[in-house]
Amino acid sequence: DQQVKQNSPSLSVQEGRISILNCDYTNSMFDYFLWYKKYPAEGPTFLISISSIKDKNEDGRFTVFLNKSAKHLSLHIVPSQPGDSAVYFCAASGYSSNTGKLIFGQGTTLQVKP
Amino acid sequence: ETGVTQSPTHLIKTRGQQVTLRCSSQSGHNTVSWYQQALGQGPQFIFQYYREEENGRGNFPPRFSGLQFPNYSSELNVNALELDDSALYLCASSLQGSANEKLFFGSGTQLSVL
Repeated sequence: DQQVKQNSPSLSVQEGRISILNCDYTNSMFDYFLWYKKYPAEGPTFLISISSIKDKNEDGRFTVFLNKSAKHLSLHIVPSQPGDSAVYFCAASGYSSNTGKLIFGQGTTLQVKP
Repeated sequence: ETGVTQSPTHLIKTRGQQVTLRCSSQSGHNTVSWYQQALGQGPQFIFQYYREEENGRGNFPPRFSGLQFPNYSSELNVNALELDDSALYLCASSLQGSANEKLFFGSGTQLSVL
């Protein structure tokens, strides 16, 4: 039972263009969402998050949008840079749950071409 | 400030054997969570340790067990290894009660079961 789904295994974009990574969830009890980035041979690193009381959160080139009615969130990277090439994981949790218990999607491999 | 360190980085075992993986948490963190990442999948929550006791568990059988020590470091033990246990095992540390963003991952231990 995959509660968090990233249906696109890979995405390729040109440097300078927008990258859009998508994530769907099924559990309406999730109320906090995070995006992690993972390079080969490294652990995932936190990128950006959003609470369910918001529909948008922005941090520099990264923006996360949340559509609660559709149980869908997306990560926008503008402009994309070659250093953004990595695996991106969407993760969800209940805000009242303890830190560390996250439900991850399968990941999307982003390739940004120079 | 030292980050999360895991040992060993790679390990090869045969089916039926037992394995112990180790994790040193980041300075100032008192909670350790373990995740299993199978090839092509996202990390899956195994369990969390806080105050040397298990503090939540995912959908993993009892042959997956853990320990947390007074210095907050942790071990993951897997008995009766199966081929499907081949995966990257990630340790993440945090401070209990802190925001989800404050979860830091190690680089993982790649376990191969033959």
